[in-house]
Amino acid sequence: ETGVTQTPRHLVMGMTNKKSLKCEQHLGHNAMYWYKQSAKKPLELMFVYSLEERVENNSVPSRFSPECPNSSHLFLHLHTLQPEDSALYLCASSPQNREGETQYFGPGTRLLVL
Amino acid sequence: AQSVTQLDSQVPVFEEAPVELRCNYSSSVSVYLFWYVQYPNQGLQLLLKYLSGSTLVKGINGFEAEFNKSQTSFHLRKPSVHISDTAEYFCAVHNTGGFKTIFGAGTRLFVKA
Repeated sequence: ETGVTQTPRHLVMGMTNKKSLKCEQHLGHNAMYWYKQSAKKPLELMFVYSLEERVENNSVPSRFSPECPNSSHLFLHLHTLQPEDSALYLCASSPQNREGETQYFGPGTRLLVL
Repeated sequence: AQSVTQLDSQVPVFEEAPVELRCNYSSSVSVYLFWYVQYPNQGLQLLLKYLSGSTLVKGINGFEAEFNKSQTSFHLRKPSVHISDTAEYFCAVHNTGGFKTIFGAGTRLFVKA
């Protein structure tokens, strides 16, 4: 596979469940990102990792917990979510976390919290 | 703080007509500017970006954008659209010296036959 892949593509979970979103990039990039995309709102940057270290945590509730075990993989662990957390979660990568760089996005995981 | 405003949430247009999608930004420093496109059920992909040099930037699929510093705008244009251009378009800005890209809310382009 090439580019950025995300699994699962769709997820339905109850408020008491625990689940994880997975992102994998095959581009040899050193920076990875999680974004939340809600209808009619700008993309919200959640987390940034550069060389497997978190460099940005954009005031995200603790019910979202990221993990970056290596530069190719990024996880988002979810627990006790709220219905307002329903959204499309996008993963992206870039060669470095530097200004002017293009980000490469995965297709997203559409999450529905009941 | 930097911000991005996409002035139209939806733009319907007939096939082969020209289109302009508007984007304004605010920033106290120099910026890099981007347009991304999101087709249905896909992630975002880069259309074009402005880093420096010529203010007219050409991208993929016949799109171009012009950086206007005095008006703090980066409008996207295409002289003749196709049905396949139906998608959501996002303008984004990245401050020089910053490490975060800020996205607008998106403009949904709907091309009608």
